[in-house]
Amino acid sequence: SQELEQSPQSLIVQEGKNLTINCTSSKTLYGLYWYKQKYGEGLIFLMMLQKGGEEKSHEKITAKLDEKKQQSSLHITASQPSHAGIYLCGADISGANSKLTFGKGITLSVRP
Amino acid sequence: SAVISQKPSRDICQRGTSLTIQCQVDSQVTMMFWYRQQPGQSLTLIATANQGSEATYESGFVIDKFPISRPNLTFSTLTVSNMSPEDSSIYLCSVYLQGGIQYFGAGTRLSVL
Repeated sequence: SQELEQSPQSLIVQEGKNLTINCTSSKTLYGLYWYKQKYGEGLIFLMMLQKGGEEKSHEKITAKLDEKKQQSSLHITASQPSHAGIYLCGADISGANSKLTFGKGITLSVRP
Repeated sequence: SAVISQKPSRDICQRGTSLTIQCQVDSQVTMMFWYRQQPGQSLTLIATANQGSEATYESGFVIDKFPISRPNLTFSTLTVSNMSPEDSSIYLCSVYLQGGIQYFGAGTRLSVL
């Protein structure tokens, strides 16, 4: 079974609308990373969360990690076409600052 | 963030041949990671490469198929050997840098005919 579940699988929103995507684990996460990937390209780092209840924002993107450190959400305010892409969450579940386990990703399309 | 350069960015190869992918980082790092992303799938770790020692492979990946070199603290190569169409994927290298953030190269998009 997938250790990190992302939802929804895909999302289509109208430009200017807000949206939230989620990443859930059955295990405690030592570090939760959000990346964005354009089709066929590498991963662009967005944010890293490590503490329960932590929240970080960058431009119009806000990421949160719940108190139990098992669920994270990524919220985009006033979406733009430039936000389109695949959003991947990756997590350090061993606590050893080593490999990351990834979810399957969420494909976001933003209609102009 | 550091610059992570991967070469080639893409390639189309014939079945049975091998391809070596290079990853260069502009700072010294202890561990380098190689991931595979099959079409429509998430990233799966192939192996962890430490300088001066054998790479550590994840379950389902073997050295004969994916030999890795790590000659110094800024460079690594991954070879995909005896390729078949099932090896068609994006291959990515990554490293941990300051702040405990794992950064990725732009990836190598491999198609095997």
